[in-house]
Amino acid sequence: QVHLVESGGGVVQPGGSLRLSCAASGFLFNNFGMHWVRQAPGAGLEWLTFIRFDGATTYYADSVKGRFTISRDNSRNTLFLQVSSLRPEDTALYYCAKDMIFGKLTGDDAFDAWGQGTMVTISS
Amino acid sequence: SYVLTQPPSVSVAPGKTARISCGGKNFGRRSVHWYQQKPGQAPVLLIYYDSDRPSGIPERISGANSGNTATLSISRVEAGDEADYYCQVWDDDIDHYVFGTGTKVTVL
Repeated sequence: QVHLVESGGGVVQPGGSLRLSCAASGFLFNNFGMHWVRQAPGAGLEWLTFIRFDGATTYYADSVKGRFTISRDNSRNTLFLQVSSLRPEDTALYYCAKDMIFGKLTGDDAFDAWGQGTMVTISS
Repeated sequence: SYVLTQPPSVSVAPGKTARISCGGKNFGRRSVHWYQQKPGQAPVLLIYYDSDRPSGIPERISGANSGNTATLSISRVEAGDEADYYCQVWDDDIDHYVFGTGTKVTVL
């Protein structure tokens, strides 16, 4: 059974940084692309970033490009999101999500498993 | 960036059919995926590639995509179908994934 567990969230001052983690189990982590998606309180889903199964390709939403960095450690079945230069509008629940297609090089896919999220609050 | 428009809310009586639209430019050439999110829970994939269901999703949930609009249909609606629903596509023009604005379904 696929299991994704996020951690690393917390309360941070504007301009601060955090490193979010997503521990994966129940599937061949090194064969699937992974994503981070966030949801501000009372708002909809916002896709943030994607990393290919081998880490060779990454994509970023315009809202976080240059401030957030996605990475993965396939030896530890773990996905990361380094978030920096944080702003009040980055306050949200951050989810990691798994690509549905095995070994997808790029492009269209659905997210077939999600973690429960880790909360990031930006406040002075 | 690509914009996916959904109605903010849909109300439906138990046993009836709820239909949720998702619209975008040149929609027909894009595959659409749908998610259900209940309060306090993570999203769950309901429909992928316009009309396919993952295992465990009941047949009364279906999807279609034609022209500039995709539609998620939930037949024989139950109280447990109350949730927020999101469509999602891949924008290959700019290598971004895009979620729709979300639709809150209320069972009367």
